[in-house]
Amino acid sequence: KAGVTQTPRYLIKTRGQQVTLSCSPISGHRSVSWYQQTPGQGLQFLFEYFSETQRNKGNFPGRFSGRQFSNSRSEMNVSTLELGDSALYLCASSWTGGALYEQYFGPGTRLTVT
Amino acid sequence: KNEVEQSPQNLTAQEGEFITINCSYSVGISALHWLQQHPGGGIVSLFMLSSGKKKHGRLIATINIQEKHSSLHITASHPRDSAVYICAARNTGNQFYFGTGTSLTVIP
Repeated sequence: KAGVTQTPRYLIKTRGQQVTLSCSPISGHRSVSWYQQTPGQGLQFLFEYFSETQRNKGNFPGRFSGRQFSNSRSEMNVSTLELGDSALYLCASSWTGGALYEQYFGPGTRLTVT
Repeated sequence: KNEVEQSPQNLTAQEGEFITINCSYSVGISALHWLQQHPGGGIVSLFMLSSGKKKHGRLIATINIQEKHSSLHITASHPRDSAVYICAARNTGNQFYFGTGTSLTVIP
């Protein structure tokens, strides 16, 4: 079974631009979660989608948004980029997203904002 | 105060040593996860615990729900165990709270 894939792997954007990142979960997995990792803040939970619905959201501004499609693929969008948005963005998939199900992480997209 | 505290932050061990990484959390949880992150960023989920103890090969994870504490043990450590180990508490609202990670270096 193919693992979680994320595209693109690396991205450079300038302040004020917007960006869309993509995540394809493991086949059969219906839950996708997104995380931001920075040297200063570590890993932080962004949001979780299950069956095309946002089920949970972390403490991030409205510039961060996401969606999930009927094939479970997910995208996250960051508008009006700020320097502080430079980070590794990770997505993880699981079968249902419930607490007792393991998450499988993708390799991440490294976003640099200049 | 962070909802999840890990110790130590950095750890250097000789190959073959027994290693313990500790995690304390303050939120009510439905599960506690241990993650491993190698240089380059890839994260692997090692354990997911809601009670008791789990073992995979040389790795053992325990959790004490009453004390809100979990430990990750590595027996007979090897240089390939060098990585950052992250504790993550999943609360009953399905939100994750992450520790800051323990950077482990195992010297041959």
